[in-house]
Parts: sequence; structure tokens; C-alpha cells
Amino acid sequence: DAGVIQSPRHEVTEMGQEVTLRCKPISGHNSLFWYRQTMMRGLELLIYFNNNVPIDDSGMPEDRFSAKMPNASFSTLKIQPSEPRDSAVYFCASSPGGTGKEGQPQHFGDGTRLSIL
Amino acid sequence: GENVEQHPSTLSVQEGDSAVIKCTYSDSASNYFPWYKQELGKRPQLIIDIRSNVGEKKDQRIAVTLNKTAKHFSLHITETQPEDSAVYFCAAGVRGATNKLIFGTGTLLAVQP
Repeated sequence: DAGVIQSPRHEVTEMGQEVTLRCKPISGHNSLFWYRQTMMRGLELLIYFNNNVPIDDSGMPEDRFSAKMPNASFSTLKIQPSEPRDSAVYFCASSPGGTGKEGQPQHFGDGTRLSIL
Repeated sequence: GENVEQHPSTLSVQEGDSAVIKCTYSDSASNYFPWYKQELGKRPQLIIDIRSNVGEKKDQRIAVTLNKTAKHFSLHITETQPEDSAVYFCAAGVRGATNKLIFGTGTLLAVQP
């Protein structure tokens, strides 16, 4: 059974460019999460979706960041314009749960290592 | 708001010794507590979890204990091996925020051969 699939695995780009990260959750999972991990700030939750609907985007650092989930099998995290301080590893995770359920494990993808020069 | 504190931030043990990592959570309605292991350059992976109706759970050399009254939970690794070296994260499920987890800040465990 395939796990959470993220692409690209690595991205190096110059500041000011648009960056799009992609995620395919585990089939049948209803919740999807985007995290950012850095040495300084640890693992930060940026946004999460239940049944393709954004539930909480309070972790999104600023308007340069946006996320979409057009269907149950695909989500994107976009940064426009990118800045060097956005350099981090971005993880996508999915969970089997849904509205009203609590206490489900999250399964992480392999992450996208983003470097903004 | 919800918060999970994790201690220690770093832990060094000799191979064969035990390691204990402790977490405290703030939301008394949290009822799900997973632990993740993250090796260098890899993704966090679930290694064990516990729900609030259970006080202890064990899986081979790994055990987790939960004290709901004190809002503490701990990870115990016995007979540590070099391959146990990694960063370990605790987390707590958040009431009313379906499947959202609040993560601790992580513990870097180094097992010295």
C-alpha cells in the first residue's frame, strides 16, 4: 500500500520565484496536513484539511503561502514570492479520520527539502 | 492554547541502557498520544501510541505510560541499540480539532556503542 507521496523531493530556486509543493495522501484518508520543519522552530503545522475543506490555516506564516486541496487525492502548497527564510523541509501527512473523530495517527510523506537562494 | 512540553531536548545513553522521554500536555480533553521517531534526513514515523482509556502500552523494547491526572506521558526504551539513535517527538490529540496533533519540540537520543 503506497504511503503519502510528495513531490518534488528537493527544490532549489532563487528568491522571488513561485514554488509549488505537491502531496498525494493515502487513499481513503480524509484529513491532510502540511508541516514545515526547521532546526530553529521544529515541526510547525501550517494548515490542515478535512474532506478537502481547509479547517485551520492559522499556522500559515503570511499571505505568500497558500494551500489547496481540489480533490481527495491531491493537495498543493504554494509560496509566491519565495524568500530565503522559507528554506525548510515541508512535510505532508494524512490521517484516516474525519469530522467528529479524534485520535487518529498521522502518516508522513518523505518531505520536500526546499532551498531558496 | 494547546501546548505539549517535552524533556529532555537531548539524551545520551550507553548501548544497553534504558532511555526515558517525558511529555506534559495542557489540554485536559486530549485523549490520544502518539510517539514518532525521526531519523536524520527521514520522515517522522509512528512507533507507538496510547489512548486515554489505557495507562500503559508496550511493544517489544518500547513502552509508553500515561498519567491523565497529572497530564504526563512518557516513552521508555529498554536495552537501547545504536539504531535507536534519532529524534523522538511526542504529540497530543486536540479536542474538537479532528485529528490535529500538537507536537512536542523533540528529543535527540544518542545511543553510544
